[in-house]
Amino acid sequence: QPVLTQSSSASASLGSSVKLTCTLSSGHSTYIIAWHQQQPGKAPRYLMKLEGSGSYNKASGVPDRFSGSSSGADRYLTISNLQSEDEADYYCETWDSNTWVFGGGTKLTVL
Amino acid sequence: QLQLQESGPGLVKPSETLSLTCTVSAGSISSSSYYWGWIRQPPGKGLEWIGNIYYSGSTYYNPSLKSRVTISVDTSKNQFSLKLSSVTAADTAVYYCARLNGAAGTDYWGQGTLVTVSS
Repeated sequence: QPVLTQSSSASASLGSSVKLTCTLSSGHSTYIIAWHQQQPGKAPRYLMKLEGSGSYNKASGVPDRFSGSSSGADRYLTISNLQSEDEADYYCETWDSNTWVFGGGTKLTVL
Repeated sequence: QLQLQESGPGLVKPSETLSLTCTVSAGSISSSSYYWGWIRQPPGKGLEWIGNIYYSGSTYYNPSLKSRVTISVDTSKNQFSLKLSSVTAADTAVYYCARLNGAAGTDYWGQGTLVTVSS
């Protein structure tokens, strides 16, 4: 089964950009992932599906500031023009043979 | 807009069975394109997939929980349910029901319900 690895924390300044990374385990570098945002005290929110090609499909209502990209086994979520409401936990997710798995999450702090 | 709503007791005693129901609205649980599942999050920790069910009744469980989990579906009520047996304090978590899209991931989430295991 695939394993997803994320850094535990990241920080960036208001108005700047940040790139969060989710790394797929060996042998799973072509897998599609999903990115989710969880603001404090709220349920996770689905942001996008991201393919190994770098192609991504965002959920309705997700601001243009959010984008995805890929390189090998790495899947990225880039947030531009950071806003205070972007301070949240970000999780990646993938699935295989009817098994779903989440990364450990990255806590993003907006300075 | 599809909506999912969890319901069930917020407090369960150790060794007993945790039971939750998810009601789906503004969409049919009988859609052949999706799975319906449960995900939990212990306080201050990350997300853990518990298991899924297809409208036909086929189930898929996290191997680490498989011996204690049962997920069922009631298409007539547009609901699906979770039972987790022999609970301990380690099962204290916010439990989310969700729609799992095999092509795109977990694309709809319920608001979550906190279940505390304590005597």
